[in-house]
Amino acid sequence: DGGITQSPKYLFRKEGQNVTLSCEQNLNHDAMYWYRQDPGQGLRLIYYSQIVNDFQKGDIAEGYSVSREKKESFPLTVTSAQKNPTAFYLCASSISDLRDGTEAFFGQGTRLTVV
Amino acid sequence: DAKTTQPPSMDCAEGRAANLPCNHSTISGNEYVYWYRQIHSQGPQYIIHGLKNNETNEMASLIITEDRKSSTLILPHATLRDTAVYYCIVRVGAFSGGYQKVTFGTGTKLQVIP
Repeated sequence: DGGITQSPKYLFRKEGQNVTLSCEQNLNHDAMYWYRQDPGQGLRLIYYSQIVNDFQKGDIAEGYSVSREKKESFPLTVTSAQKNPTAFYLCASSISDLRDGTEAFFGQGTRLTVV
Repeated sequence: DAKTTQPPSMDCAEGRAANLPCNHSTISGNEYVYWYRQIHSQGPQYIIHGLKNNETNEMASLIITEDRKSSTLILPHATLRDTAVYYCIVRVGAFSGGYQKVTFGTGTKLQVIP
């Protein structure tokens, strides 16, 4: 089945360690996105990528890094520089052309807890 | 992107229609209205979108006012599984586009009551 997969669903890390969250899609989408969601809050954009080997900072990129070496993969690294890394992380993808009315597909999220 | 305003929470009796409002008074002529929902601890799910005309699909109906400054998402026969946070967002055309960073507000928490 086509879709977008995030792994793992739950992740625990010690403070000061970098951690990488996986996001894979087989929808042949060019564009991919990472969002962060805190309890009771909406989604905030961390990074997005329109095409392979290109990505742009979102609204809260500090303390995060990404890569886009393959079309189907957009891993997010939460670095030790991120002051409050504990959150629910969501990955999404969409087609990249500018025809009207395209939609985004979201993964099921990774809940990261830093202790 | 235009900002949206939604009530923080709503209740609806099971089997009744759920009408979720959204105000987007600063919407531009080329911006679409999208609705997503997020069931607890899952990723958001696309529901419907529209530009000017009312839209209907297997999940819901979208009613957009003539001046496009507000819209209403209608779940015709709400079930307990429709309990979720519903997000209304407006944006130009496609979801992507290098300058079009989609952001989600806090949405409306819909509680369907047995």
